[in-house]
Amino acid sequence: GAVVSQHPSWVICKSGTSVKIECRSLDFQATTMFWYRQFPKQSLMLMATSNEGSKATYEQGVEKDKFLINHASLTLSTLTVTSAHPEDSSFYICSARDESGSVGKNIQYFGAGTRLSVL
Amino acid sequence: AQKITQTQPGMFVQEKEAVTLDCTYDTSDQSYGLFWYKQPSSGEMIFLIYQGSYDEQNATEGRYSLNFQKARKSANLVISASQLGDSAMYFCAMREVITGNQFYFGTGTSLTVIP
Repeated sequence: GAVVSQHPSWVICKSGTSVKIECRSLDFQATTMFWYRQFPKQSLMLMATSNEGSKATYEQGVEKDKFLINHASLTLSTLTVTSAHPEDSSFYICSARDESGSVGKNIQYFGAGTRLSVL
Repeated sequence: AQKITQTQPGMFVQEKEAVTLDCTYDTSDQSYGLFWYKQPSSGEMIFLIYQGSYDEQNATEGRYSLNFQKARKSANLVISASQLGDSAMYFCAMREVITGNQFYFGTGTSLTVIP
């Protein structure tokens, strides 16, 4: 299956610093990528939809200025957690949609996730 | 109403046995896709299997099959010949073609394979 690469897999940072997470689709082009947040033992919560060449669409309650998303190419989206605080500690996982199939079967492939710990 | 319902928070299965993970969905759209993902403790979401709403046959991928009952709006995942490496969280998901982007996830089922 298609591969989505996400880096870093694990990051620890001090409160107030910014952290950038990269998400790359390795063997397909992705017009649309997605950023999720997952709390322990819970399902994935969609944070934003990243569209190549345009602004991201954020879900209700997600701070645009805090979680900056850039989708500069068809294979790369980045999420920057700005001025991170302990409450931002979480598991962040990206997803890229392979649109080569029929519309309904556009499979979303996921990265391995990034565990962020803010001290 | 919940779009995706997984009623089994945890399941146990003996190694080499088959197990069924339940998933029901709610939609008024005629065109939609159903997906199952596996999430081991490492965190990665691994795509397992897809079923389209217009597919007449149940999807199969190796040891995974999807028991699709459209009238009942259920899309249960069947894992045959369970292996220890199957122990993980399993998520059912749906995308409605009309809404496009939104992927609705269930709350997941934790599967433990017992030696």
